[in-house]
Amino acid sequence: RKEVEQDPGPFNVPEGATVAFNCTYSNSASQSFFWYRQDCRKEPKLLMSVYSSGNEDGRFTAQLNRASQYISLLIRDSKLSDSATYLCVVNKRGSARQLTFGSGTQLTVLP
Amino acid sequence: DVKVTQSSRYLVKRTGEKVFLECVQDMDHENMFWYRQDPGLGLRLIYFSYDVKMKEKGDIPEGYSVSREKKERFSLILESASTNQTSMYLCASSLREKSPHFGDGTRLSIL
Repeated sequence: RKEVEQDPGPFNVPEGATVAFNCTYSNSASQSFFWYRQDCRKEPKLLMSVYSSGNEDGRFTAQLNRASQYISLLIRDSKLSDSATYLCVVNKRGSARQLTFGSGTQLTVLP
Repeated sequence: DVKVTQSSRYLVKRTGEKVFLECVQDMDHENMFWYRQDPGLGLRLIYFSYDVKMKEKGDIPEGYSVSREKKERFSLILESASTNQTSMYLCASSLREKSPHFGDGTRLSIL
């Protein structure tokens, strides 16, 4: 089983839609969780950290479900500029500092 | 703002050559990483360093070595380049268990 699994998509949604991505992880001892965004032919950039109680940043909401070992990202009122690949990131088994990246979920927001 | 600088955006080398990829960060981060990114496989960790002269193998260290003589600089070395090492190489740095910041990437082609 992969350490981090994401639905690769693609997700094609109209502008203004709400879209949600899930990501499952295998290491029950993981403590660090992040969502990154990667634009085509660019480096990944931090979108938001994911905290145990869930957290929100504008139109973006991240949640953690430790019991089921998944994290989620919800994007409300999606914009054309949200089109990108979203990467789920979890710290590796046995390491607090090494991180494992999911393969990413591709999102295209259509006009 | 954190700056992670990779020495080349594009690099073309020949099979059997020794290849050096350089990465410098300006935020006094103790952690530095080298990833490669391939379509359908996502980001895979090659090597990780948590201090000067300290290194840990990642998921795919075969065919690579690293050097960290100074805190701000982390070099990736392809001892004898092969065509299957054609890829996008991404360097990143982070502070303790914080989220990593990435450089722009080096697109390496081995002919």
